[in-house]
Amino acid sequence: DQQVKQNSPSLSVQEGRISILNCDYTNSMFDYFLWYKKYPAEGPTFLISISSIKDKNEDGRFTVFLNKSAKHLSLHIVPSQPGDSAVYFCAASGSAGNNRKLIWGLGTSLAVNP
Amino acid sequence: NAGVTQTPKFQVLKTGQSMTLQCAQDMNHNSMYWYRQDPGMGLRLIYYSASEGTTDKGEVPNGYNVSRLNKREFSLRLESAAPSQTSVYFCASSEVRGPAKNIQYFGAGTRLSVL
Repeated sequence: DQQVKQNSPSLSVQEGRISILNCDYTNSMFDYFLWYKKYPAEGPTFLISISSIKDKNEDGRFTVFLNKSAKHLSLHIVPSQPGDSAVYFCAASGSAGNNRKLIWGLGTSLAVNP
Repeated sequence: NAGVTQTPKFQVLKTGQSMTLQCAQDMNHNSMYWYRQDPGMGLRLIYYSASEGTTDKGEVPNGYNVSRLNKREFSLRLESAAPSQTSVYFCASSEVRGPAKNIQYFGAGTRLSVL
């Protein structure tokens, strides 16, 4: 059973517009959430994270929002650029012991069209 | 900075052959991980090592063994390769404490085909 779900396998956005990638989780023990970006033939690279004590974290064009009551987080990219075209993975972890392993979603493939 | 280095980048094996995938990190991280990625399956944890001298099974350990050779190196061994082990393998490392303790840093991957 998937504990971290990215329900949209793909997303297509025009350059300059906002990209919104969504992620849902089921385990209430998760308290740290991360987004990774992956280009073909490369390893995933860390993009941005958020702790459960916050509801928003911003880094340049990237903002992650966390809604704990809904067990939902989203990644906003504004403005989207063609170089943002990649697969985006959502991951979650708890604080202690085995809960600190990352649990991964299946990814959303983002295409930003010029 | 090299970060996490995986060798080889590509490998083709015949069923029943053995091989070892190598991983080394230069970030002085305590924890290291091996994942496989298959189409439509996301990243699945094979084995991890929380610290030097310890290893634990992940989600899909069958058919694999690991060795945490020292703090820098964590190898993954396929004793008798099977076509089901055709995949892309990623090694990652992370710190165990501090503000970045949950962030894993990945190598570029090893693309393995078992015929």
